[in-house]
Amino acid sequence: AQRVTQPEKLLSVFKGAPVELKCNYSYSGSPELFWYVQYSRQRLQLLLRHISRESIKGFTADLNKGETSFHLKKPFAQEEDSAMYYCALSTDSNYQLIWGAGTKLIIKP
Amino acid sequence: GAGVSQTPSNKVTEKGKYVELRCDPISGHTALYWYRQSLGQGPEFLIYFQGTGAADDSGLPNDRFFAVRPEGSVSTLKIQRTERGDSAVYLCASSLSLADEQYFGPGTRLTVT
Repeated sequence: AQRVTQPEKLLSVFKGAPVELKCNYSYSGSPELFWYVQYSRQRLQLLLRHISRESIKGFTADLNKGETSFHLKKPFAQEEDSAMYYCALSTDSNYQLIWGAGTKLIIKP
Repeated sequence: GAGVSQTPSNKVTEKGKYVELRCDPISGHTALYWYRQSLGQGPEFLIYFQGTGAADDSGLPNDRFFAVRPEGSVSTLKIQRTERGDSAVYLCASSLSLADEQYFGPGTRLTVT
């Protein structure tokens, strides 16, 4: 069965420090991977998806099929990056999203 | 433009009662999805529609849960004989078509007492 694992429930870093939010998945086919973000009192919104290969708000994520990972990175964290981050996967056979449990990112001033 | 809306925002009901949760997708979006999110967890897929038909209902936990989208726009998630374990935030999302970006609503927080 497909699975998404985000090993860190909470990640706290200082402003200006690099950030890496980990995401590992299990799926034997060709997945599509996503990062969603939920800021305080706001709805879930798409941050980036691996097929678009864009950098959004300074975040990037590379799909590593060998390690089955899709870690989210940002070189210099900003206070406004504080939020819940969810990694999600869809398979090549349907369009439902399979989600990790989320990582709460806190950027300390 | 208007995003996905969900009503009610909060619903408190007693165990055993019937509830309906409504989702208004973005106009023109043909695909609609339902997820539920329990405290401390990520969303869990329930069902998605392409147009009026349920394309995949494999995530519905049991036959107490049912969803409809009769005219291909608004959708209603129906839960019969609610149980305390049904307490969660129910999220709706829509997309222009399947495989496009999903836009989420604010969710309905259901509490079963």
